[in-house]
Amino acid sequence: GENVEQHPSTLSVQEGDSAVIKCTYSDSASNYFPWYKQELGKGPQLIIDIRSNVGEKKDQRIAVTLNKTAKHFSLHITETQPEDSAVYFCAAMYSGGGADGLTFGKGTHLIIQP
Amino acid sequence: KAGVTQTPRYLIKTRGQQVTLSCSPISGHRSVSWYQQTPGQGLQFLFEYFSETQRNKGNFPGRFSGRQFSNSRSEMNVSTLELGDSALYLCASSPGGYFYGYTFGSGTRLTVV
Repeated sequence: GENVEQHPSTLSVQEGDSAVIKCTYSDSASNYFPWYKQELGKGPQLIIDIRSNVGEKKDQRIAVTLNKTAKHFSLHITETQPEDSAVYFCAAMYSGGGADGLTFGKGTHLIIQP
Repeated sequence: KAGVTQTPRYLIKTRGQQVTLSCSPISGHRSVSWYQQTPGQGLQFLFEYFSETQRNKGNFPGRFSGRQFSNSRSEMNVSTLELGDSALYLCASSPGGYFYGYTFGSGTRLTVV
């Protein structure tokens, strides 16, 4: 089955700086890669996703890059703000017949220092 | 637009009992997935239902089961509870296609004592 590794487990950055979280996956058949943000007491919230036919996707301060050859994808948050503090999860999935759900990384606790 | 609603929010059960959790997906969504979240194992896929049929299943024992009704609402059941079943159980809904993305509810916090 799929295995997703996520690094770092904790990331502390100064407000206004950029944050980068990296993930690798093992199954070359995976073709859908979402990122979720989870705040205390809430469920994960989808913040951005990318499909395997795209190398990069941006949404305001958030961007995701995908390197299919290296089986590696990353989340980039620019101009970080206090409300960006949360746990971020990457995930991978094969979206076709026999799909077995999202496989998540272990999460990154992002701390924005004022 | 209402989000994914899970009930109850908190539950305390005794080892050996059974429990049923409920999930109401976003209106119009036909797919409902269930995930277990624990500090040690993280987020793990339990199963997915689409149009009342189990479409996929994760690597969990048969004590974990679920079903989906004709209105897309879903329930999951855990029988013969063990201490290790203590977790946050999350439900996620999707319009149906795998690429549409999954919207999660706030979860049910189950504590087994």
